[in-house]
Amino acid sequence: KNQVEQSPQSLIILEGKNCTLQCNYTVSPFSNLRWYKQDTGRGPVSLTIMTFSENTKSNGRYTATLDADTKQSSLHITASQLSDSASYICVVSAPGTGTYKYIFGTGTRLKVLA
Amino acid sequence: DGGITQSPKYLFRKEGQNVTLSCEQNLNHDAMYWYRQDPGQGLRLIYYSQIVNDFQKGDIAEGYSVSREKKESFPLTVTSAQKNPTAFYLCASNIGTGWDEQFFGPGTRLTVL
Repeated sequence: KNQVEQSPQSLIILEGKNCTLQCNYTVSPFSNLRWYKQDTGRGPVSLTIMTFSENTKSNGRYTATLDADTKQSSLHITASQLSDSASYICVVSAPGTGTYKYIFGTGTRLKVLA
Repeated sequence: DGGITQSPKYLFRKEGQNVTLSCEQNLNHDAMYWYRQDPGQGLRLIYYSQIVNDFQKGDIAEGYSVSREKKESFPLTVTSAQKNPTAFYLCASNIGTGWDEQFFGPGTRLTVL
């Protein structure tokens, strides 16, 4: 069964600290993996995208890594800011019959405290 | 929110009523999607459309209906047959290749009274 699991479910850190969010997937075949940021009550916004051949991708203070062999990805946030408080969703894209299928993780809710 | 608008932002429905959620995009995207988001669960696909006048059921289509008469519009109707409709509904669109980013609207929160 195609699944995407994220950990931890929630995380609280102090402003300025770093953190790492995890994503494990069992999706096969695999096309690409994307991390989204979702503010409360808003739609998700894409942070990074990686194919199976990419190991790392950065977007400012956000760095995503991918190990296609172990089917694990992580999102590292450096020098956290209050505005980083949001849910972070890992999404795996897989080719399907006539279209692509997007499998969403349940997300990690991050709270950054002053 | 990337050129996708959803309305209304909040919607209240009495039991037994049908309600329609609006989704419009000006990105010239061929593919559009409706997702449902519940606490502690990943987004679940309700319906998707890859082209005008064509749409397919997703994983949880029961109790919902859609239409795609225009490229820009993909309204979702939540019917009285949907037993637990209270949720956050998200509309998305993309070119449709599976590689490109899905752009999401701001969402509609539906509450059944």
